Amino acid sequence: DAGVIQSPRHEVTEMGQEVTLRCKPISGHDYLFWYRQTMMRGLELLIYFNNNVPIDDSGMPEDRFSAKMPNASFSTLKIQPSEPRDSAVYFCASSPGSQGGYFSGETQYFGPGTRLLVL
Amino acid sequence: SQQGEEDPQALSIQEGENATMNCSYKTSINNLQWYRQNSGRGLVHLILIRSNEREKHSGRLRVTLDTSKKSSSLLITASRAADTASYFCGTGRRALTFGSGTRLQVQP
Repeated sequence: DAGVIQSPRHEVTEMGQEVTLRCKPISGHDYLFWYRQTMMRGLELLIYFNNNVPIDDSGMPEDRFSAKMPNASFSTLKIQPSEPRDSAVYFCASSPGSQGGYFSGETQYFGPGTRLLVL
Repeated sequence: SQQGEEDPQALSIQEGENATMNCSYKTSINNLQWYRQNSGRGLVHLILIRSNEREKHSGRLRVTLDTSKKSSSLLITASRAADTASYFCGTGRRALTFGSGTRLQVQP
């Protein structure tokens, strides 16, 4: 398996522009997570999905952020409009859930991240 | 607020030495996971220990869990330069809450 795939790997944009980050989870995984990593705040959970349904979006900073999972193999995280404080590395992760059994179902597999810089 | 907090924040050792890092958390847990992050990369799962387990081994890794003290430790034995990375503990049933990590530098 290719692992979790994220695109783009790097994004530089200007304040006010719309940014869309994409994620393809590992096939067969039930859960998909979006995290954000900054020096100041560390790793933060933004939102997670179970079987394509958003379960907890309490970590989404504000209405400028939205996430969708239209099918089991694709998710997007959108920022509109973007601001300089959104600059961070955004990670997508997936986990097997019930498919992984007792010992491995909760292990998370992270993508390489998207490094976002908003000028 | 962060659930887990790693200690120390940074650790520098020589190749061949053992590295120990600790994680403290605040609320009761079902399990605790340790992850490694190499510079510029995503996190890689190392080991998961459940709340009813006290110790777990995987290769050169040894993890302990003390639920009464709400703490866990990760021991890397006979460290190698390739172990240089940041190490994070994560807690939570599904979505994980991570600490700020321990940056380990192994000098060749």
